[in-house]
Amino acid sequence: QKEVEQNSGPLSVPEGAIASLNCTYSDRGSQSFFWYRQYSGKSPELIMFIYSNGDKEDGRFTAQLNKASQYVSLLIRDSQPSDSATYLCAVKYGGSQGNLIFGKGTKLSVKP
Amino acid sequence: NAGVMQNPRHLVRRRGQEARLRCSPMKGHSHVYWYRQLPEEGLKFMVYLQKENIIDESGMPKERFSAEFPKEGPSILRIQQVVRGDSAAYFCASSPADRDLNSPLHFGNGTRLTVT
Repeated sequence: QKEVEQNSGPLSVPEGAIASLNCTYSDRGSQSFFWYRQYSGKSPELIMFIYSNGDKEDGRFTAQLNKASQYVSLLIRDSQPSDSATYLCAVKYGGSQGNLIFGKGTKLSVKP
Repeated sequence: NAGVMQNPRHLVRRRGQEARLRCSPMKGHSHVYWYRQLPEEGLKFMVYLQKENIIDESGMPKERFSAEFPKEGPSILRIQQVVRGDSAAYFCASSPADRDLNSPLHFGNGTRLTVT
């Protein structure tokens, strides 16, 4: 059973702080990794994707991938109240037809 | 992604009725993915279709659920004899036929099914 694990939270950080969201996955054959943000009652929207070990930065967001440890994380710098949402980690496993396996999400709350 | 259109946005059905959810892919896309999200849960893959063909239905419940993507018209996810446990948000994503399998999926706004 291929699994993607996330701490459900809630994770609470003050405005301006760094929020760190973590995700582990079970299949070493995994090839690509995605972070989605989902506001309550809305659809998931893609924030970042990462394929290679290391860091990938996009504005205030940094995705980090460590395939040896089967670990992927998302850092949000200078957190804003508008970042308050549930963050879903998704993984594409090797051999799949392109469908993604999602974690249950981590709920982030940024306090003004 | 505003390009993937789902309707209805909200659907209320009584136990035992049928629910039909529609997904119109982005223009030029011939592949559709359906996902289900139960309350406080992540998205669960259900089925992957191309026009007139089911590619992967490994996530579909064995009974009462079916999906199709006809040559013309939207993809339909059909749930027969709904039960309260079917209450969830159902999301659809689409992709072109030559999509890189490692590329991300972009979802429609979803259909929120409530079974009373």
